Amino acid sequence: QITLKESGPTLVKPTQTLTLTCSFSGFSLSTIEVGVGWIRQPPGKALEWLALIYWDDDKRYSPSLKSRLTIAKDTSKSQVVLTMTNMDPVDTATYYCARITACLGMDFWGQGTTVTVSS
Amino acid sequence: DIQMTQSPSSLSASVGDSVTITCRASQTIGIYLNWYQHKTGKAPKLLICAASSLQSGVPSRFSGGGSGTHFTLTISSLQPEDFATYYCQQSYSAYSFGQGTKLEIK
Repeated sequence: QITLKESGPTLVKPTQTLTLTCSFSGFSLSTIEVGVGWIRQPPGKALEWLALIYWDDDKRYSPSLKSRLTIAKDTSKSQVVLTMTNMDPVDTATYYCARITACLGMDFWGQGTTVTVSS
Repeated sequence: DIQMTQSPSSLSASVGDSVTITCRASQTIGIYLNWYQHKTGKAPKLLICAASSLQSGVPSRFSGGGSGTHFTLTISSLQPEDFATYYCQQSYSAYSFGQGTKLEIK
């Protein structure tokens, strides 16, 4: 059974750095063609892809957020960590992590974690 | 950046109807195109990957097509549980989503 779960702070202040952890089970990030991605959805808005990391440590970032994002994996702990610097109220959103399959779709998702940016 | 544009942005239909949602890419992406269904308060669900490959467990009334820059998602014989927001996503160069199509009951 494949599961993913996001964890991190629910409230951050403007200019702070957000660190989110995706803890997963039922698959390994050392398996060829597997990856984990991060996606967010601001209230009332569309899904926005943020970053991903593949089994071979290949990393990709949203061009518009690349300067603020870092993604890393800890295969032994079955975790992927996303950091986003210089948080702003517009970054208020539900943040999801998801597994990436060989066909490059995201087939299993976490439940999402809501992050509010406010002073 | 590859921009994904969906049309229409919203759509009203009745149970039993057939609907088609279109997704256009700003540059050619081959068949690196996925479709998701998203209901409020739930995680998105992958319906189709690689433009036309139906995910296991997804009803056959869902179908996808297209290649290059033009893609479609068709839902035939709409069921009550199909009313949701649908997103396309390209996976050719990093990832990006379309703006979504909200499918509502008429």
